[in-house]
Amino acid sequence: DVQMTQSPSSLSASVGDRVTITCRASQGISNYLAWYQQKPGKVPNLLIYAASTLHSGVPSRFSGSGSGTDFTLTISSLQPEDVATYYCQKYNSAPRTFGQGTKVEIK
Amino acid sequence: EVQLLESGGILVQPGGSLRLSCAASGFTFSNYAMNWVRQAPGKGLEWVSTMDTSGAVTFYADSVKGRFTISRDNSKNTLFLQMNTLRAEDTAVYYCAKHLIIGVPSPYDSWGQGTLVTVSP
Repeated sequence: DVQMTQSPSSLSASVGDRVTITCRASQGISNYLAWYQQKPGKVPNLLIYAASTLHSGVPSRFSGSGSGTDFTLTISSLQPEDVATYYCQKYNSAPRTFGQGTKVEIK
Repeated sequence: EVQLLESGGILVQPGGSLRLSCAASGFTFSNYAMNWVRQAPGKGLEWVSTMDTSGAVTFYADSVKGRFTISRDNSKNTLFLQMNTLRAEDTAVYYCAKHLIIGVPSPYDSWGQGTLVTVSP
């Protein structure tokens, strides 16, 4: 099975900072990669799919890139409301594995 | 508006059984593959199972294969998860989730609020 590895597992950044989270697949998954945001106590929300397509209603400060095995989620200017845990997920085939998550906090 | 409402989560003893339900509304349920995803307390998301639109094709995580069974009733717009031989490590909030796009691999754009399953003596 394809394993999904995110890094870092947590980060602390200042408001306005550029934040980058990486997700690596153990085998190529083309661009079948999604990013989710889960705020504390809330349900996950889809941010990006097809590696770089912004889901409806998601602020443009979020962007995604990558293909094959290496992917990134970037927040261009971190906002207080972005405090959350972010997960990547492969969805080309089962098992639809999630990464272990990256917790983003404000410094 | 898409709504997914899970129910059935309770405290159950190890070795016990439980059936979760997910009532769907606001979209044509029979057109979408559906999924269960779980999250243990303080832990990350874990994909559990997927069922295609007709119910003919199912997939399971290795951690639940042979113990859990996913099913659906398209006439009642409801997804189920039959959970047998429950273990402490099955303790989690269980979410049902809908695919974004019909007919092709796609992520999950709608999630229920979740139902908590606690497996403990």
